Amino acid sequence: KNEVEQSPQNLTAQEGEFITINCSYSVGISALHWLQQHPGGGIVSLFMLSSGKKKHGRLIATINIQEKHSSLHITASHPRDSAVYICATSNFGNEKLTFGTGTRLTIIP
Amino acid sequence: DVKVTQSSRYLVKRTGEKVFLECVQDMDHENMFWYRQDPGLGLRLIYFSYDVKMKEKGDIPEGYSVSREKKERFSLILESASTNQTSMYLCASSQGVQPQHFGDGTRLSIL
Repeated sequence: KNEVEQSPQNLTAQEGEFITINCSYSVGISALHWLQQHPGGGIVSLFMLSSGKKKHGRLIATINIQEKHSSLHITASHPRDSAVYICATSNFGNEKLTFGTGTRLTIIP
Repeated sequence: DVKVTQSSRYLVKRTGEKVFLECVQDMDHENMFWYRQDPGLGLRLIYFSYDVKMKEKGDIPEGYSVSREKKERFSLILESASTNQTSMYLCASSQGVQPQHFGDGTRLSIL
């Protein structure tokens, strides 16, 4: 069974700082997902990637398949980025996800 | 845009009660999921359905059952609620292996 680990568990930073959240997994996957959960519960999908890098606004997600590692970067962080960021993996033909335990990010104005 | 709607944001029930959590999606997705989320444990899959009347156990099905009589609706049932089922419950739907779309969650307290 795939094990998905995230680091750090908690991260507090000043507004404007560059943020990096890491995710590692134990077995080969078809795709890696980054999700965002704001206080109150709702979860949104940020990225789904199987190789290389994807960018959306100030968010960048990268994956290294050989090292079984992915990073989520946030440039010019803002208090509205405060949320829990969750990494998850999936395999071909399998709709189910395996989740990490999340990273709680707090951006201080 | 895909909308996944959970029937309640907050729910308080008593030990031993039968509890129904409802989830409806509006995009004709094949797959629907029920998760529970607990501090330090992340999201854990309770049950998964890939078609009407089809279901598959997830990682923690004990104490739960599900019903999918129509494609858009997936119900989670706590047969006899216990205090250790106090949790945040999240429903999601997806088409094929595309990203899942989540509801806002139901925070369930069992007293």
